[in-house]
This record gives sequence, C-alpha cells and structure tokens, in this order.
Amino acid sequence: DARVTQTPRHKVTEMGQEVTMRCQPILGHNTVFWYRQTMMQGLELLAYFRNRAPLDDSGMPKDRFSAEMPDATLATLKIQPSEPRDSAVYFCASGPGSLGEKLFFGSGTQLSVL
Amino acid sequence: GQQVMQIPQYQHVQEGEDFTTYCNSSTTLSNIQWYKQRPGGHPVFLIQLVKSGEVKKQKRLTFQFGEAKKNSSLHITATQTTDVGTYFCAGSGTSYGKLTFGQGTILTVHP
Repeated sequence: DARVTQTPRHKVTEMGQEVTMRCQPILGHNTVFWYRQTMMQGLELLAYFRNRAPLDDSGMPKDRFSAEMPDATLATLKIQPSEPRDSAVYFCASGPGSLGEKLFFGSGTQLSVL
Repeated sequence: GQQVMQIPQYQHVQEGEDFTTYCNSSTTLSNIQWYKQRPGGHPVFLIQLVKSGEVKKQKRLTFQFGEAKKNSSLHITATQTTDVGTYFCAGSGTSYGKLTFGQGTILTVHP
C-alpha cells in the first residue's frame, strides 16, 4: 500500500532547540500539506505545496517556522527556536493534484517541547 | 479567510442510536470532504461531495451537501462501537485544492 511516511513519530525536545520533521509523500503525488493538530485548535493548515512550490503558508508563524520541499520525495517542516506552545501533532498529507483531491495523511509527528 | 464550523463538538450515544454532525462554511465551497480519525490515528478520507444538493451513502453513513454549497452533514444510522472516532469535514473554496478543516465531532459509542 502506498502511504505517506513521516519521521520521527515522536519528538521530545527542550525549549529553544531546533526541530525538523520530515515527510515522504506518496510517489506521484504533487501536492503536500502540513497540518498541526491540537485539542484547542483542531487541524490547522500550516503550509501547502504544489509541484514543490509553496502556494500558501499563511497559517504558519513565519518567525520560527519554515517549510520546504528540497525534492519531490521530501518535505520538511522546521521550528527554530521551538517553544512549549508548539507542542502538538504535526501531520503531513499528500494528494494527486487534481481539484477536489482526497488527501492521504501520514501517521504524524507527536512533538513535545518542554 | 474561509472558515468551516462543525457541530456538535462532542456526541455520546448508545450503540444502536443514530448520530449526525453538521458542517457550515462562511463561503461557498467547490467541494466538501469528510474524514474519520480513530483515537491515536490519522485522518482517513471517507467521501467527497461536489454537486449542490448531493447525497451519497456508504452503508450506514449518509452524506449531504447543501443546495447553496455552504453546509454539509454526516448521518450514521444505528451506530456501532467501530464508529468511535472524530469526524471532520473539510472544505475547498476558491483556492485550488486548499482544504480547510472543521473542528471535528468526537463520537463515543457506549455498548
């Protein structure tokens, strides 16, 4: 089964440290989304790529977050410096790139910033 | 920006009872999708609705898209313990492919 792969599954770090989360989208998919899930805010869209180009990152705090797609098989989300309020589950999802596409989610990265 | 509101936030039912969650968008949607997330899991696609007034069924699940394409609902008939989880609607408006998720409805089913 084709699936979206996210690493690491869990990350515990101290405030101020850099955090890098990685995502391997499904082969052939050309859209990639990063979502953050918390109990209070639900699923928030952080960034959205199509054909590796960032289309929308308005939901992402620019001062500390950055998202990139160095190649078609890898998307990264970095937080530097991390803060306790960044603790959440971060999901990557990919889609085939057609209007109204369904998204395939990875298993997520559970981030805890102490 | 586009906002998608979903109610109720929580729903507790006895096994065998029906369940409905509602989704409302601040803007007209080009399509709406529904996802299910099991506890500790990730969202999994259930269905997509595109046409005004569209109704789709998947076994005990019935999905509707409003005539104005601004609201949707998911109805589960005779819930089972396997239905437990969080149900999300997600709407796509004028931004090509960008999905905005509702807050989700957490469903618990008591046997």
